[in-house]
Amino acid sequence: DAGVIQSPRHEVTEMGQEVTLRCKPISGHDYLFWYRQTMMRGLELLIYFNNNVPIDDSGMPEDRFSAKMPNASFSTLKIQPSEPRDSAVYFCASSSSHRGPTEAFFGQGTRLTVV
Amino acid sequence: EDQVTQSPEALRLQEGESSSLNCSYTVSGLRGLFWYRQDPGKGPEFLFTLYSAGEEKEKERLKATLTKKESFLHITAPKPEDSATYLCAVQAMGNTPLVFGKGTRLSVIA
Repeated sequence: DAGVIQSPRHEVTEMGQEVTLRCKPISGHDYLFWYRQTMMRGLELLIYFNNNVPIDDSGMPEDRFSAKMPNASFSTLKIQPSEPRDSAVYFCASSSSHRGPTEAFFGQGTRLTVV
Repeated sequence: EDQVTQSPEALRLQEGESSSLNCSYTVSGLRGLFWYRQDPGKGPEFLFTLYSAGEEKEKERLKATLTKKESFLHITAPKPEDSATYLCAVQAMGNTPLVFGKGTRLSVIA
């Protein structure tokens, strides 16, 4: 398996524009997580899905953020409108619940810069 | 609320100088404690999972240990290629997501 795949790797956009981040989880994994990483706050959980259903979105900072998982192999995180304070690295991760506590596998991340 | 605190924030070692990184945690029922390594510009890479107090795991120059309140990542005779940020995370009971600390940035100088 190629691991968790995220696109794009880098995104530079102007304030007010819509941004869509994409993620393909590892095949067979039933959990998908979106994290955001900044120097100040570290890795923060935004939202997670189990079997394509959103379970907890309490980490989503504002209504400008939305996430979908239309099928087991694809998820998107959308920010509209984007603001400079959204600049961060966004990670997608997936895991399997079938064997008790299991590690989450991370993608390479999308570095978002909003100017 | 589950919390993870890592110390120190940054650590600079000479090659061969052994040391330990600390991860203190509070969690409502520990299901697992995880150590990750993160290189610049990359996603976190899994290293170890510890399940219960007293457990130890080893991989090359790294050894992770766990007590009821904290975990240590011991680095023996480090090399420059061990330079990275090391992240600690906990998972509470019930298949909840991992809660991460802010990490320790390790630099090993030749």
